[in-house]
Amino acid sequence: EIVLTQSPDTLSVSPGERATLSCRASHSVSNFLAWYQQKPGQAPRLLIYRASTRATGIPARFSASGSGTEFTLTISSLQSEDFAIYYCQQYKNWPLFTFGGGTKVEIK
Amino acid sequence: EVQLVQSGAEVKKPGESLKISCRASGYRFSSYWIAWVRQMPGKGLEWMGIIFPGDSDIKYSPSFEGQVTISADESATTAFLQWNSLKASDTAIYYCARLGQLALDYWGQGALVTVSS
Repeated sequence: EIVLTQSPDTLSVSPGERATLSCRASHSVSNFLAWYQQKPGQAPRLLIYRASTRATGIPARFSASGSGTEFTLTISSLQSEDFAIYYCQQYKNWPLFTFGGGTKVEIK
Repeated sequence: EVQLVQSGAEVKKPGESLKISCRASGYRFSSYWIAWVRQMPGKGLEWMGIIFPGDSDIKYSPSFEGQVTISADESATTAFLQWNSLKASDTAIYYCARLGQLALDYWGQGALVTVSS
C-alpha cells in the first residue's frame, strides 16, 4: 500500500496570502496524483489531476507540481471560498487508490 | 451533465442490513469505474473499493473486503454499497465517485449512515 502523508495538518493563512501544501508518498507514484478540496458539508471536488493539471473550472490561483514522491499544491492568493480541507490521492497503485490525511486551511 | 445522485440518510441499529445507492446519469454508465469512499465523523477520506459496471469487475480495499458488498445494476445505471450486519463503527458519510481518466472527477452528494442502538 502506498501511504500519502500531508503536511501541515492545519495551515493558518490570511486572505490574500499564499498557501503551500505538501503531500509525500511512501513510494513513487510518478505523476498519478490528484488534489481535492472539501468544504464543510460538501462532497470533495477535484482540483488537480496528473499532479499539475487543473480540472475544468478550477481558478488559476490553484497550481500544483511534483512527481515521484514529493508534491505541492499552491494557492497563490487565498480567497474566502478557499478555506477548506485539501486531500491528495494517488492513483498509481491499482486498485488501491489511497488518500492523504488532509490539510485544513483556516483563516488566520 | 454528469450527475451521481445518492440515496438518503439512514438510521439503523447494530446488526441490521443496509443497501445504499448511487444513480448515475449524463454519461455511459458501463464505461467508467465507480468508487466508494468512506468519511467517518470528523475524519479523512478512505478508499473502500471500486466497480466497473460494464462487467461487474469489483476491487476492494483490504480494509473493507468482507465487510461490505459493492454491486451495480447496469440497466438502472446505479451502483450499490451493502452491509449484512452493521456496526456502530460503520457510522459515516459514504460517497460514490466516478473514476474518469482524470482521477475521481464527479462525486455524489454523500449518504450519511448512522448506526446506533
